[in-house]
Parts: sequence; structure tokens; C-alpha cells
Amino acid sequence: GQQVMQIPQYQHVQEGEDFTTYCNSSTTLSNIQWYKQRPGGHPVFLIQLVKSGEVKKQKRLTFQFGEAKKNSSLHITATQTTDVGTYFCAGQRTGTASKLTFGTGTRLQVTL
Amino acid sequence: DAGVIQSPRHEVTEMGQEVTLRCKPISGHNSLFWYRQTMMRGLELLIYFNNNVPIDDSGMPEDRFSAKMPNASFSTLKIQPSEPRDSAVYFCASSTRGDSYNTGELFFGEGSRLTVL
Repeated sequence: GQQVMQIPQYQHVQEGEDFTTYCNSSTTLSNIQWYKQRPGGHPVFLIQLVKSGEVKKQKRLTFQFGEAKKNSSLHITATQTTDVGTYFCAGQRTGTASKLTFGTGTRLQVTL
Repeated sequence: DAGVIQSPRHEVTEMGQEVTLRCKPISGHNSLFWYRQTMMRGLELLIYFNNNVPIDDSGMPEDRFSAKMPNASFSTLKIQPSEPRDSAVYFCASSTRGDSYNTGELFFGEGSRLTVL
């Protein structure tokens, strides 16, 4: 079956440092989504990427979809304590009925 | 606007008991998803409905699990009999799309935390 892996599993940064999480799928994706889950909360949608090589920005967050549509990354510039949480990518395999498979997640801890 | 509403928020039960989790999707959304989250297995898709019809239930762990969507505004996930390994947070999510290639943004409920003793 489809597998979506993320690295690193956990990262601890000082406020102001940058952070990147990488997402890799075992199969080609039709689209990829990113979600953020705060501790004790539920996943909240951040963005969706559809096109090969697509790059989207949301303030300090930059999302990229790989040329082969099998990998993606999320980069946060100058982290803040409000960025704390677990970031999940979620991919939908080409040609399948809407089964959105979530990645393993990267937990981000930010300290002052 | 109300989001996805799940109940109960917390449930503690004993092994062997029946558990029913409930979900009310956002009005107008035509797709509904049940996910389970554990530390070991992460977020797993259990079942997905489109226009009240189950489309993919390949993630349902075993016959002890069943899900229904009798109408566009209500779904249940039932576990009978429950076992300690079913302890997890169960999320319901809905979306406006559900076509084969793009689910669209999923809106998650706050989840139901189940503990089976």
C-alpha cells in the first residue's frame, strides 16, 4: 500500500531559527496537502499543492511539491513559539478514489 | 458556522462493551472521513463516504468495527466488542469534494478520545 514518510520525526529549535520537514511518498501523487496539529488539538488544513514543482508561500511558511510529485517540503522561516505542533503531509495517490494518506508527522518544539 | 461536531469527546469503557462514536459533518459537505490516531500508527483512514455511500472501508481494522451514514448530516462509528488496543483518538472529517483525484481540504472535528480498559 501507499506509504508517506516524513523526516525528521521531531525537531527542537530556538525561536528565530528556521525549520524544514520533508515528506516522501512511495507512489506518485495527484496532490499533496499539509496540516498542522497543535498539542491536544485536531489537524488543521494549511495548504494544497497540485502541480509538479509548485511552490506556495504563506507568510513565513514555504511549501514545495517535487518535480516527480513524490515528495514535498515545508519550510518555516524564523520560527515562533506559536509554530509549535505536529506538521503532517497528506497525499492522494494518482488514480485512486479519494484516499488521503497522512504522513508520519514531524513534531516541532520551539523554545525561547 | 459550526464545524464538524463529534461526540462524545471522551469515553472510558471496559473491554467487551459496545462503543458508538458520532459525527455531524459541516452542512453542504458531501464527503465524510473517519480517521484513527495513535502514537504507534499515526493518522489512519478507517472509512470514507461520498454522498452517504461508503466508498472505501479498507482501513477498517476488523469486523468489530462498523460505520454508517444514514443521511447527509450524521454518521456513526461503532466498535463491538471493544478491546484495549482500540484505545485512540477517533477523528471525523468532512469536505466539499470527493472526486477520485482530489478530496479538497478536510475539516476535522475535535475528536473522540476512547480509552478501553
